[in-house]
Amino acid sequence: GQQVMQIPQYQHVQEGEDFTTYCNSSTTLSNIQWYKQRPGGHPVFLIQLVKSGEVKKQKRLTFQFGEAKKNSSLHITATQTTDVGTYFCAVVLGAGNNRKLIWGLGTSLAVNP
Amino acid sequence: KAGVTQTPRYLIKTRGQQVTLSCSPISGHRSVSWYQQTPGQGLQFLFEYFSETQRNKGNFPGRFSGRQFSNSRSEMNVSTLELGDSALYLCASSLLGDYGYTFGSGTRLTVV
Repeated sequence: GQQVMQIPQYQHVQEGEDFTTYCNSSTTLSNIQWYKQRPGGHPVFLIQLVKSGEVKKQKRLTFQFGEAKKNSSLHITATQTTDVGTYFCAVVLGAGNNRKLIWGLGTSLAVNP
Repeated sequence: KAGVTQTPRYLIKTRGQQVTLSCSPISGHRSVSWYQQTPGQGLQFLFEYFSETQRNKGNFPGRFSGRQFSNSRSEMNVSTLELGDSALYLCASSLLGDYGYTFGSGTRLTVV
């Protein structure tokens, strides 16, 4: 069935380094959502991308939707310890009663101070 | 506005028992989804309710069930608990079910 592949599974960086997580699908997506879950917390909605080639920024976070709408990335510039957590992508597939929100397995980010 | 409220926060149950978890969505949100989260499996979709109707269901056995009330509050029930049911159960609400889900803090269920 439809899967959303998220890579890498884990990433360990030094504070100040950049970080990128990728989300890939075998089919064209109508949209993609990104969430962050801090250790011991719950997922928090970050952003939704809808348009082909769309790029959105939130302070040090840059979200991009591929031209073919099959992949997306989340890039963090100059990571800080507050960026620690797991970043999930999620896509809405299907319509009506077959509509589902499919989640990637997440990328866990650890930041060394 | 108040966020998504899940109760209880923690629960310890014995194998074979049943459990009911509660979720109060954000006021005005009509879609409530339930997820099971375990370290190795990530977020696994259980079911979604919209206006008191189950709109979608994940690949979980029939021991997992849910319902939604007219005020959009939702409950999920797990019968005949197994050790493998130990997990964080998350509820998420959305206005229409297709954008920006807001999650509750979850119920951490431990089955012993």
